[in-house]
Amino acid sequence: SSELTQDPAVSVALGQTVRITCQGDSLRSYYASWYQQKPGQAPVLVIYGKNNRPSGIPDRFSGSSSGNTASLTITGAQAEDEADYYCNSRDSSGNHLFGGGTKLTVL
Amino acid sequence: EVQLVETGGGLIQPGGSLRLSCAASGFTVSSNYMSWVRQAPGKGLEWVSVIYSGGSTYYADSVKGRFTISRDNSKNTLYLQMNSLRAEDTAVYYCARGVVVAARTYYYYMDVWGKGTTVTVSS
Repeated sequence: SSELTQDPAVSVALGQTVRITCQGDSLRSYYASWYQQKPGQAPVLVIYGKNNRPSGIPDRFSGSSSGNTASLTITGAQAEDEADYYCNSRDSSGNHLFGGGTKLTVL
Repeated sequence: EVQLVETGGGLIQPGGSLRLSCAASGFTVSSNYMSWVRQAPGKGLEWVSVIYSGGSTYYADSVKGRFTISRDNSKNTLYLQMNSLRAEDTAVYYCARGVVVAARTYYYYMDVWGKGTTVTVSS
């Protein structure tokens, strides 16, 4: 079955730029969406489509896609960005997939 | 206000059944796709099931044949009937509203999430 692969953990210095990636065959056909989850809270959508941010999401969050890889970039990471990040996509069978998640640490 | 509220979680013995509900307000569940997503303790998000606006349903392999997703348009509520529960089904279960955009490349995303309901399968 299809799957999405993410690095388990990434760290970034405060104010620097970090890219979180997601790889999978389904990303050749469907854009990924990205979710931020902080401990004890429900996930929050941060990026969808080619590079769209829901209302209320800071513009330091951006998305991109190439081939089988989708990326979430945080430009000028803040302490409040420390969280788990998950990519999600549909596959050709109609199922939806989540990546394993990336734990972002802001140093 | 657009909102989702899940109920129905609890402690259940292995092999038992449970029905989760997700009451929607501020939008119509039948106009969007709706998903159930779960998160086992200390683990990542796992997609469980989806029902599209046209009524098509899909399930993760881990729950296929045991779980059934449905909706009641008159109550504007989404359900997840869970049968033959196993210890590995223990998780927080979230419902989420999905949006489909038909563009050159289709994209799907879940923009509204409930706070979740906890299911514990244990003897």
